[in-house]
Amino acid sequence: QQQVKQSPQSLIVQKGGISIINCAYENTAFDYFPWYQQFPGKGPALLIAIRPDVSEKKEGRFTISFNKSAKQFSLHIMDSQPGDSATYFCAPWHSGTYKYIFGTGTRLKVLA
Amino acid sequence: GAGVSQTPSNKVTEKGKYVELRCDPISGHTALYWYRQSLGQGPEFLIYFQGTGAADDSGLPNDRFFAVRPEGSVSTLKIQRTERGDSAVYLCASSLTGSSGEQFFGPGTRLTVL
Repeated sequence: QQQVKQSPQSLIVQKGGISIINCAYENTAFDYFPWYQQFPGKGPALLIAIRPDVSEKKEGRFTISFNKSAKQFSLHIMDSQPGDSATYFCAPWHSGTYKYIFGTGTRLKVLA
Repeated sequence: GAGVSQTPSNKVTEKGKYVELRCDPISGHTALYWYRQSLGQGPEFLIYFQGTGAADDSGLPNDRFFAVRPEGSVSTLKIQRTERGDSAVYLCASSLTGSSGEQFFGPGTRLTVL
């Protein structure tokens, strides 16, 4: 897990605000960059993912920005809602190894 | 359709005992993964099955841990001589193929070793 550094560790945002979570990685062989969302007592669920051939992907209120040269990617949650309160993990993946390397997680709390 | 299921949801055992954790993947998914998640941490990879065979077991911490998937569907993670440090949530995930990227996770089994 030293290969993946996620920040911040925790984040508090007002309802309607923008939440931004960052992920830095070391392994240039990673070729799939997902963000997973985990609610208490549940397993992680895929939220959004990007391949390295594009720099940005948007799905509804969620956007991934990818910077290949900086080896970083980020999750932006627009118009954050209390229901978004969860722990978010980046989990870059190398298809040759078939396994995710999860970040340490960011606990997001959106205040009503 | 049914997602990945894991049983039991909680398991409390005593140090030195043997435990088995079960995973039922999504029907038709050939790839199955086990992860371990300690409190406040991200999941850590343990083992990956493609069909019946363990394609990558590099994450198993030591020889007390073993996993099987005899018919290419249900998998069992087995832990011998449990230690207090084994306490964690054990997550199972499956994917359509090993190269499909998206993994679908079960709710996990919370193991507590007293």
